[in-house]
Parts: sequence; C-alpha cells; structure tokens
Amino acid sequence: AQSVTQLGSHVSVSEGALVLLRCNYSSSVPPYLFWYVQYPNQGLQLLLKYTTGATLVKGINGFEAEFKKSETSFHLTKPSAHMSDAAEYFCAVNRPGSWGKLQFGAGTQVVVTP
Amino acid sequence: KAGVTQTPRYLIKTRGQQVTLSCSPISGHRSVSWYQQTPGQGLQFLFEYFSETQRNKGNFPGRFSGRQFSNSRSEMNVSTLELGDSALYLCASSLGENSNQPQHFGDGTRLSIL
Repeated sequence: AQSVTQLGSHVSVSEGALVLLRCNYSSSVPPYLFWYVQYPNQGLQLLLKYTTGATLVKGINGFEAEFKKSETSFHLTKPSAHMSDAAEYFCAVNRPGSWGKLQFGAGTQVVVTP
Repeated sequence: KAGVTQTPRYLIKTRGQQVTLSCSPISGHRSVSWYQQTPGQGLQFLFEYFSETQRNKGNFPGRFSGRQFSNSRSEMNVSTLELGDSALYLCASSLGENSNQPQHFGDGTRLSIL
C-alpha cells in the first residue's frame, strides 16, 4: 500500500521568500514521485518528477525537489517566491506495476503576499 | 504538440440523468487515466485505459464506466447521477509503457448536479 501526506493545507509566503512545501510518502517499493501545480479553473501541470538517479531534481519555474529515501520525503522548494506562484500544489506517487494510477496528496494552497 | 483536450468544460445535469465526458490525449499517448476532484475527497483515481483495455480501476461504484477507442480517445460515463457526483473530472494521458512516465492533464470537465 502507499500513501502521500502533504503537511500544511495552506502556506503563506512573502514575495521573494523561500517556498517550502512538504511531502512524505509511504511505499513498500521504491516509488516514482511527482509534483504538480494547479491554477484556478485549470488542470494539473507537471512541475518535476523523480524516478531514479540523481536525488535532487530540477523542474520548471525555478522549482526543485529532493528525494530522501531515509526520511521518505520529497519536499518541493523555490528560493524566491513570485506572485505567479500562487496556486495549489500536489505531490503524487506511483510505483512499478501501477501504470496510470497516481495517488495524490491532499494538496497545499500557496498564497504569495507582496 | 496539442495537449490533452477535454469536452465539454462545463456541464449541468439533474439527479438521475446520465452523462458522457470526452478526453482526447496527446498524440502518441496510449494511456488515459481519469480522476475525480472534489473539495472534500481531493483527487481520486477512477480508472485507466491502455490500448482500448481497462488496465486499472479505482474504488468507485459501477455507475462510473469508461471506454477507449482505437485512436486512444476516451470517454467516461456516469449513470443515475447523484448530488455527490458534482466534481471536476480530470483526464490525463501518458505513453503508458512504464509507471515512471508522467501524466499530462487536461483542464477538466466541471460537472454540477442539481
């Protein structure tokens, strides 16, 4: 069985400050991990993914995430928040053999204040 | 390359009716997955189709069904609609050859049940 936990349903950051969104997973096998962003009235857009190899992965819009197996975490960060980063962010997990069955966390709503 | 296209974008139905939603995947993608998104339950997996066959199924009642055509386009049908079926329905496509391949989402169909 696998599950995904996102700590904090709402996060408020100042423009220019660090964005840190937390994601922890549980999986009996090495997982594949994804971060998606959702803007109002839109679908989900892929930010980045971890499958194998380098544990620090870089994505679009200046975001990056680090896979830490010992902590079962895949936290998302961005050094400097921009107003356009205001959106909802979802961490998702898949595993070998699950094919197209993504399991999502509950999401974190990010508010950026000037 | 065109993205995932979902039609219609908005739909209003009444209890007891049935509805069909359509999804056209990215060209070359053979897997289509469907998700239901609600404020209370978040993103939940409905089912996945690959090469016209259902490969995965979530925990939804039999009122929810789908199919995939030879051109990979997919439809989802919900019969005997209930108030609780009001949601954003998202479809996602991927190459489908491995669980580590990312899914690309459409903008969804927002279904409202009166």
